[in-house]
Amino acid sequence: GDSVTQMEGPVTLSEEAFLTINCTYTATGYPSLFWYVQYPGEGLQLLLKATKADDKGSNKGFEATYRKETTSFHLEKGSVQVSDSAVYFCALILYGNNRLAFGKGNQVVVIP
Amino acid sequence: DTGVSQDPRHKITKRGQNVTFRCDPISEHNRLYWYRQTLGQGPEFLTYFQNEAQLEKSRLLSDRFSAERPKGSFSTLEIQRTEQGDSAMYLCASSLADRGLTGANVLTFGAGSRLTVL
Repeated sequence: GDSVTQMEGPVTLSEEAFLTINCTYTATGYPSLFWYVQYPGEGLQLLLKATKADDKGSNKGFEATYRKETTSFHLEKGSVQVSDSAVYFCALILYGNNRLAFGKGNQVVVIP
Repeated sequence: DTGVSQDPRHKITKRGQNVTFRCDPISEHNRLYWYRQTLGQGPEFLTYFQNEAQLEKSRLLSDRFSAERPKGSFSTLEIQRTEQGDSAMYLCASSLADRGLTGANVLTFGAGSRLTVL
């Protein structure tokens, strides 16, 4: 079935460091891809999305490029802040489908 | 627009009791979704409505679970005879059906209702 795989384990890094969170997917069709973020005590928020191959989604300094050849959608940010501490979820949805499939999420902790 | 609201935010109950969660979606959204999230996992799809019609249910939604959206606005998720395995965060989301070429629904999530079954 359609699924998303995120790298294992939490990510701890210092303020202003470079962040990468890996995401790969398996899908029978051509999915749209998303990154959602969950801050402590809050609901999931859409961070960025890409709907076709080679699209780059970007928001709040975060970027992710839809790579069809490697079935990936890695999230990057060049200089993280303490306020970026949150759980990040990669997700996909197929055209005409009605359900988002999420990865397990990655806890990101940014230390001052 | 106040976003998607869920109530209660936290419910503690004893095994065997019934619980009900309510979700108020964004007013102009015609689709409403329920997801379940357990610790360390991503959200898992439970069911979704388009207006008042429940169009899809996951196998995760056992007979003890029932969801309704009677007037196509708010929705309720009831769990009967709760079990400890039902302990989770129950997330509601809403969206406007995308009539464009991408077919990509963008879901707006509520903060969730956390259920603890003792």
